Amino acid sequence: GAVVSQHPSRVICKSGTSVKIECRSLDFQATTMFWYRQFPKKSLMLMATSNEGSKATYEQGVEKDKFLINHASLTLSTLTVTSAHPEDSSFYICSAPAGGSSYNEQFFGPGTRLTVL
Amino acid sequence: AQSVAQPEDQVNVAEGNPLTVKCTYSVSGNPYLFWYVQYPNRGLQFLLKYITGDNLVKGSYGFEAEFNKSQTSFHLKKPSALVSDSALYFCAVRKVGTGGYNKLIFGAGTRLAVHP
Repeated sequence: GAVVSQHPSRVICKSGTSVKIECRSLDFQATTMFWYRQFPKKSLMLMATSNEGSKATYEQGVEKDKFLINHASLTLSTLTVTSAHPEDSSFYICSAPAGGSSYNEQFFGPGTRLTVL
Repeated sequence: AQSVAQPEDQVNVAEGNPLTVKCTYSVSGNPYLFWYVQYPNRGLQFLLKYITGDNLVKGSYGFEAEFNKSQTSFHLKKPSALVSDSALYFCAVRKVGTGGYNKLIFGAGTRLAVHP
């Protein structure tokens, strides 16, 4: 199946700093990518939809100025957690639909564990 | 509104026995249903999906799921469980979003524990 990578896999940062997480589709193009947040032993919460060439669409309750999303190319989307605080500590996962169509199953990255001290 | 329910937080099965992980859904229109598995500290892996056609869908690693429209269910099944099947399983339904793109709405997840 298609491969989605994330970098870094794990990051620890100080409170107040910004952290950038990259999501790449390695062998296919994705005009749309999705960013999720997962708390321990909890389900995935969709944060936003990243759209290549246009602004991201955020879910209700997600601060767009806090979680900046940039879909720079057909294979790369980045999530920047700005002025991170301990409550932002979480497991962040991205995904992209197979075959470029959001009707298809999504392929997920391995996740990035963010710890804010 | 579209939603997915996984009524069991955890399912315990002995190795070699059949397993079932339950999922019920609520959608308007035809449901697009998915099952994913997550191993510790990993992303999700696609197992199978139902879009249309046969109600019994076969997927990866010997898993299958049965779509039951009258009961609005999409239970995941496997005839003979393996210890390596122990993981977190998510049922999901497609939700049509604004702008034409489609999102996935996930259930709360069910932890499957297969004992030797």
